[in-house]
Amino acid sequence: SQTIHQWPATLVQPVGSPLSLECTVEGTSNPNLYWYRQAAGRGLQLLFYSVGIGQISSEVPQNLSASRPQDRQFILSSKKLLLSDSGFYLCAWSLGQGQPQHFGDGTRLSIL
Amino acid sequence: DQQVKQNSPSLSVQEGRISILNCDYTNSMFDYFLWYKKYPAEGPTFLISISSIKDKNEDGRFTVFLNKSAKHLSLHIVPSQPGDSAVYFCAARPGNTGKLIFGQGTTLQVKP
Repeated sequence: SQTIHQWPATLVQPVGSPLSLECTVEGTSNPNLYWYRQAAGRGLQLLFYSVGIGQISSEVPQNLSASRPQDRQFILSSKKLLLSDSGFYLCAWSLGQGQPQHFGDGTRLSIL
Repeated sequence: DQQVKQNSPSLSVQEGRISILNCDYTNSMFDYFLWYKKYPAEGPTFLISISSIKDKNEDGRFTVFLNKSAKHLSLHIVPSQPGDSAVYFCAARPGNTGKLIFGQGTTLQVKP
């Protein structure tokens, strides 16, 4: 069966520091991969999605970037974090466009 | 512009009764709708979905209804159980994409 792993579960970072959040999927090949952010009291906002290695689509302009160096690895990064980057970050995968997305347990990011 | 709206931030229901969660959308190009359930500090879990060519889909205690003319969908949980207490998100997919647009979520509390 397929599983998705995100780490770390929580992270506290100072403003201006870099960020790297990692997500890996096991048990499937060539999944679609997604990064979402949930701000306090709001729904999930799609940040990035990828349909293959090296293929990244950005949904909203922001201080973050994503990379997919391997088939089942998706990384969310920033060179300099802002206070507004605080939130709950979720990685998800799906088998294809017509299939449900399945989420990891998320990373709670707090910027001080 | 909120394309998917869950206008009730919270709902409280007695155990054994029906829970009805509502969701409205504005984009007529959405062709696939999903409901997710989320517990605190966890990622959302896929519950049930419906294609725009259907008006009802049932899975055990969960039934999703779609009214395309009203651009409205609802999730019925019968009978409600205390373990159903969680945040419920509806999501919609624009046709021929892998992206999902999420609502803000509704917190359901099922009282024993």
